[in-house]
Amino acid sequence: DTAVSQTPKYLVTQMGNDKSIKCEQNLGHDTMYWYKQDSKKFLKIMFSYNNKELIINETVPNRFSPKSPDKAHLNLHINSLELGDSAVYFCASSSRGGGRHSYEQYFGPGTRLTVT
Amino acid sequence: SQQGEEDPQALSIQEGENATMNCSYKTSINNLQWYRQNSGRGLVHLILIRSNEREKHSGRLRVTLDTSKKSSSLLITASRAADTASYFCAAWGSSNTGKLIFGQGTTLQVKP
Repeated sequence: DTAVSQTPKYLVTQMGNDKSIKCEQNLGHDTMYWYKQDSKKFLKIMFSYNNKELIINETVPNRFSPKSPDKAHLNLHINSLELGDSAVYFCASSSRGGGRHSYEQYFGPGTRLTVT
Repeated sequence: SQQGEEDPQALSIQEGENATMNCSYKTSINNLQWYRQNSGRGLVHLILIRSNEREKHSGRLRVTLDTSKKSSSLLITASRAADTASYFCAAWGSSNTGKLIFGQGTTLQVKP
């Protein structure tokens, strides 16, 4: 069974459109993340949720809005897509139970977003 | 700002040789982790070394940590073609911000 899954795997869309990426984890983790990996493979954290609560919000345009309906799901909605949003977006999860981090993160397969 | 920087950016070796990748970071850390990313895939956790540890082994992997130099190295011994991937170091800051800061990675090619 896939531990962290994302849909879609590929997303090609035009500038100005709105799109969503979905993530689900079946590991029982209580913390989930969104990362952006650019064309040079630089991986940068965007958001983190712990038990549906936003705990990390990096300097990300407010066109990006994460939503966590429950601790197993974390979705990313992007409004008014721009060319510079083209990248691979990774979802990840980890355990932060009892206030202690497990530190190790489990990554999904990524969503390659291409904005034309 | 980016926490980890890796050296070299690309490495090409023959199967059976050892591969060494280095990582430097900027601030105090709680731990440092190494991840592998195969082409077109997500990252996979390899090994974690805590700030009070100096060396750690896992199978063919050996990680060292020098907190005085703010650097770490990953050694893969007896490399195999299947080790071809990008390798990233990631630092968990001691300020417990909950963020894992990644380096830009080393692309390793192991030729059969």
